[in-house]
Parts: sequence; structure tokens; C-alpha cells
Amino acid sequence: QKEVEQDPGPLSVPEGAIVSLNCTYSNSAFQYFMWYRQYSRKGPELLMYTYSSGNKEDGRFTAQVDKSSKYISLFIRDSQPSDSATYLCAIVGVDGKLTFGQGTILTVHP
Amino acid sequence: GAVVSQHPSWVICKSGTSVKIECRSLDFQATTMFWYRQFPKQSLMLMATSNEGSKATYEQGVEKDKFLINHASLTLSTLTVTSAHPEDSSFYICSAIAGVTDTQYFGPGTRLTVL
Repeated sequence: QKEVEQDPGPLSVPEGAIVSLNCTYSNSAFQYFMWYRQYSRKGPELLMYTYSSGNKEDGRFTAQVDKSSKYISLFIRDSQPSDSATYLCAIVGVDGKLTFGQGTILTVHP
Repeated sequence: GAVVSQHPSWVICKSGTSVKIECRSLDFQATTMFWYRQFPKQSLMLMATSNEGSKATYEQGVEKDKFLINHASLTLSTLTVTSAHPEDSSFYICSAIAGVTDTQYFGPGTRLTVL
């Protein structure tokens, strides 16, 4: 079993839709939970991070963590074509290393 | 803030040659830098962790003699792919943090193609 499992997608949604991206993890020692966005042939860009259970909002993005279920989600409201990218969940262990999910390719079509 | 650069952005080399990739933190001092490799349509795989002034720590399965890492200063780490082969063709990405609890900021990546 991989340490971090991410719904691989791909996802294709119309502009304005609400997008839900999900990951599960197996190691309860993980401390920080991150979401990165990666455009084609570019490095990952940090979108959001959190370290506690609950919701964290930033504009159209909401990160949700449920430590009891070892489940993290990213919601995108009012999705835009510019949101089309690969989204990577990543979890930080006590050693500071990131473990990434497989990534979900999202396409938002006009 | 928190800008990380990489150079070159892409490189093509012949099989058997060595290639050096630079990773720089532009506006902060990076106590630790990480090197990742990403194959097409796959996620990032950590290759090694580099701390300034000490030897890099390599992940299992990564050949330290093939992928030489030097972290000579708090703003620069280099990855040298020695005796490159076509199977080394990949997207190499570095990241940097200022402290152990800080988030990782990623460079734009270097695309290596070995002919």
C-alpha cells in the first residue's frame, strides 16, 4: 500500500463547476498536508497547506483534513479554464520530507 | 518571496556525458534542498536530501555515484548526472526550505534528454 493514494482522474468539468480532489494516507505520523498545482513542464506551485483537521479557505480553494479518517480534500469553487493543471497532494513527515500522491489531471473547459 | 530557480531549464546531451543542474534559492537561505525526478504523467519521486556543508542523503534505489549532489552554500545546490544514459531522461526538480518546519518551494524544473 502506498503511503499516499490520490484519485488519479483525469477530471474534466465545465467552467463554473465545483471540483473535489481527494487523497488518503496511511501514516498517522504525518504532520502537514499540502496541495500543489503543477502546469505542464513546470515545477509544482504551493496552493495551500494545513496541519490540523478541519477546513481552511483561500479564495476559491478550500482544503479539508480529516485526521481520524486519514483523508484530505481540495475543493475548487467556480472553476476556471486557468485551473486546468495537475493537482498533487503532499504530506510532510516528521523528517520534513514530502510524500506526494500520484496527481490528478484536471481540465476545465469553457 | 520564496523563489527558487533552476538552470538550465532544459538540456540535451549525448549518452556517456555528464550534466550539471543548478538550484538556487533567490531570496532566502536554504538550510535544506531536495532533488526530485518526475517521469511523464507520474508524480515526483524524491531522490536525495541535501544540507549545506554536509553529504547528501539518498533515497533507496538512487545511485549516489551517478547522481552527485553538492550543497556548497545556503543558496546553491547542484545535481550532476554522471555518465548519463537515455533512461536518465526525465524532469528534475529541486525544492528548498529555510527550516525543518517550513514549506518546500519548488524550482521550475530541468528537462534532461539523453540521446
